Amino acid sequence: QVQLKESGPGLVQPSQTLSLTCTVSGFSLTSNSVHWVRQPPGKGLEWMGGIWGDGSTDYNSALKSRLSISRDTSKSQVFLKMNSLQTDDTAIYFCTLGLRGWFAYWGQGTLVTVSS
Amino acid sequence: NIVLTQSPATLSVTPGESVSLSCRASQSISTSIHWYQQKSNESPRLLIKYASQSISGIPSRFSGSGSGTDFTLSINRVESEDFSIYYCQQSYSSLYTFGSGTKLEIK
Repeated sequence: QVQLKESGPGLVQPSQTLSLTCTVSGFSLTSNSVHWVRQPPGKGLEWMGGIWGDGSTDYNSALKSRLSISRDTSKSQVFLKMNSLQTDDTAIYFCTLGLRGWFAYWGQGTLVTVSS
Repeated sequence: NIVLTQSPATLSVTPGESVSLSCRASQSISTSIHWYQQKSNESPRLLIKYASQSISGIPSRFSGSGSGTDFTLSINRVESEDFSIYYCQQSYSSLYTFGSGTKLEIK
């Protein structure tokens, strides 16, 4: 069955770089897209970006200068790196499988707190 | 970027009532809109894809309609488990976006 699981540090210092990993199973990364979505505490969902089956990427224009999404198909992992973190980047970060435009499968999410 | 505007921000209803939630796009997006439900401390759950297509396992009281710029999620006879937040999301552009959400609360 399809599964996605996020992992990474729970705490990041301001101005530092966030690195998250999404480990997937039950589907192929070369045939599907995986996206990152975040949600600040008590706020709505924000699409951050995604990596498509062919390896190309798209990013939210508001985050594009700080964000990079990559993958390792041999390990079934998708990576998120975002630099210059600030306190308003504190959020739950989800990875999700994109199926022809919609998100049917989601990870449980990982809380990242930006604080010194 | 395509902006999705959801209204109302909060909807207070009594169980058993039927409701309609609105999502308006800043440009025409055909039927490339999808709806999600999110309960507290949970990941979002897909309810409707491509404006009106049902999803396996989702109760039939949830339905969607619309095309172009105006979309509606309808819940026929709201049940207690339905009180949560609802989001729309567009995939017309490869730069996906979500609406800001509608909170459905008990009156």
